Amino acid sequence: QKEVEQNSGPLSVPEGAIASLNCTYSDRGSQSFFWYRQYSGKSPELIMFIYSNGDKEDGRFTAQLNKASQYVSLLIRDSQPSDSATYLCAAPTGANNLFFGTGTRLTVIP
Amino acid sequence: NAGVTQTPKFRILKIGQSMTLQCAQDMNHNYMYWYRQDPGMGLKLIYYSVGAGITDKGEVPNGYNVSRSTTEDFPLRLELAAPSQTSVYFCASSYVEWAHTGELFFGEGSRLTVL
Repeated sequence: QKEVEQNSGPLSVPEGAIASLNCTYSDRGSQSFFWYRQYSGKSPELIMFIYSNGDKEDGRFTAQLNKASQYVSLLIRDSQPSDSATYLCAAPTGANNLFFGTGTRLTVIP
Repeated sequence: NAGVTQTPKFRILKIGQSMTLQCAQDMNHNYMYWYRQDPGMGLKLIYYSVGAGITDKGEVPNGYNVSRSTTEDFPLRLELAAPSQTSVYFCASSYVEWAHTGELFFGEGSRLTVL
């Protein structure tokens, strides 16, 4: 079983809608989770991280962590065409390995 | 402040050739990493270093070697290139162990094709 699994999509939403990206993880001991955004042909960049159960909001982005159900979500409100990218969920595995999911490709349609 | 700089950006190798991907960071980060990303896949850790003189294997180290003689530089050596090593390689760095900050700073990537 993969440490982190994501629906590869693609996910298409109209401009202004809420985009919901989901990630499940297998290690119940995982304490921290990260969302990276990767534009086509570019390198990943961190956009959100969450350590505690519940929600964490940063502007139009909300990360949600449910440890009981072992899933992490990223909500993007008021989606913009500039949000079109691949979103990678990542979680620690072992002492020094950050395991990345395969990513979900999001397209925001103007 | 250039961040993380990788060279070359593109390279085509023949099977059996060797090469070194260069990575340098000017942020005085202790931790440095090499990842590879295959099409439609996540990033897989090849090697990492927690400081000058210290390196360790990641998830997919076979066919690669690294060294860390200075804080700034972390080259990745490919010996006897194989088609399976065709990928995009990302170098990254962080000030402390990533689990505390969550943020890796990535270079722009090096696209390698082995024919």
